Amino acid sequence: AQSVTQLGSHVSVSEGALVLLRCNYSSSVPPYLFWYVQYPNQGLQLLLKYTSAATLVKGINGFEAEFKKSETSFHLTKPSAHMRDAAEYFCAVSESGGYQKVTFGTGTKLQVIP
Amino acid sequence: NAGVTQTPKFQVLKTGQSMTLQCAQDMNHNSMYWYRQDPGMGLRLIYYSASEGTTDKGEVPNGYNVSRLNKREFSLRLESAAPSQTSVYFCASSERDRDYGYTFGSGTRLTVV
Repeated sequence: AQSVTQLGSHVSVSEGALVLLRCNYSSSVPPYLFWYVQYPNQGLQLLLKYTSAATLVKGINGFEAEFKKSETSFHLTKPSAHMRDAAEYFCAVSESGGYQKVTFGTGTKLQVIP
Repeated sequence: NAGVTQTPKFQVLKTGQSMTLQCAQDMNHNSMYWYRQDPGMGLRLIYYSASEGTTDKGEVPNGYNVSRLNKREFSLRLESAAPSQTSVYFCASSERDRDYGYTFGSGTRLTVV
């Protein structure tokens, strides 16, 4: 069975500082990996995805993530945090097969301090 | 705007009452999903429908039933609500291919008292 582990349920950064949200996965097949963002009282929105093409993936709002097979990681980064980045972030892995079924991590809440 | 529409947005039920959560998507997606979100537990899959006419259990199906009414609509029914079903429920849809990603609705916040 596939699984995702997000290290740190809460992360605080200062405005303008580097954002690093950690995600490690477990999969018996080459995974498809996703990051989603959830703003308060809203649904999840796709931030970026890795689908076995380039290992460095760029997403919306200046975020990017790097797939590292040797470390089974897919960490999310942003060079400079903005107040509007305060949200909860979910890493997810897709099972193999002819249809998509995704396993989500438990989420990391990002706080941005002015 | 195209997307996934969920109704209602909020609901309070008494223990033992029944209700149906509605979900509709207008993106012509094949697959639809129901998740529940609880603090510290992320999203857990309740049921999914890989295509019109099929439904399958997810991780936490007990106490729920679903109907894939047509390609657009996928409803979730609680036959006899319990306090343990207090949660935020999200519907999502996707293309069949695994690299597409999900589009989520805005959620239904359900409280069972």
